[in-house]
Amino acid sequence: DAGVTQSPTHLIKTRGQQVTLRCSPKSGHDTVSWYQQALGQGPQFIFQYYEEEERQRGNFPDRFSGHQFPNYSSELNVNALLLGDSALYLCASSPGLAFEQYFGPGTRLTVT
Amino acid sequence: SQELEQSPQSLIVQEGKNLTINCTSSKTLYGLYWYKQKYGEGLIFLMMLQKGGEEKSHEKITAKLDEKKQQSSLHITASQPSHAGIYLCGADAVFGDAGGTSYGKLTFGQGTILTVHP
Repeated sequence: DAGVTQSPTHLIKTRGQQVTLRCSPKSGHDTVSWYQQALGQGPQFIFQYYEEEERQRGNFPDRFSGHQFPNYSSELNVNALLLGDSALYLCASSPGLAFEQYFGPGTRLTVT
Repeated sequence: SQELEQSPQSLIVQEGKNLTINCTSSKTLYGLYWYKQKYGEGLIFLMMLQKGGEEKSHEKITAKLDEKKQQSSLHITASQPSHAGIYLCGADAVFGDAGGTSYGKLTFGQGTILTVHP
């Protein structure tokens, strides 16, 4: 049984560019959440998707947007990249809104 | 907003020693999660606590949530090098006795870096 998978593993982008990160949830999970983790810090909640809708959002600007597909996979899009967007981006899935979250290995984004 | 403070920030122990990591909240914790992270990798779910006074164990790791639901501790017995990593506590942004549901907007502490010397 595959766990949460994320792609790509690493990514290098230039300031001002746009990036798309992808996440496939654990089998049987229909809820996907995205987190940003800067070096030496705990993860920060970006947003959560359930039934293809954004259900909750953290304190992140509109440059951060997402999507959930009918097969429950999800994408995180970041526009107009800033140097401060460099971080580990983590995807987590759960079987509904009310259960513990299982995390993927993350995507390391570097903005130069 | 809720803040979670973890202590200590880092911990170096000799293999075989016991250790405790604490997680304190300024507000009542509704759902408290413990995760372990290897540097630069994803988080591994350890345990979830919801009820005041609740205690859960898995292998040599025990987590407790105090009666007031504002502090949790993670205790490792007879530590091994495989226990090394970053331990993170996380809490739901929903407070109060809302019927046992968790809404998944987790707030995390800054993490505790554990090093275990063989």
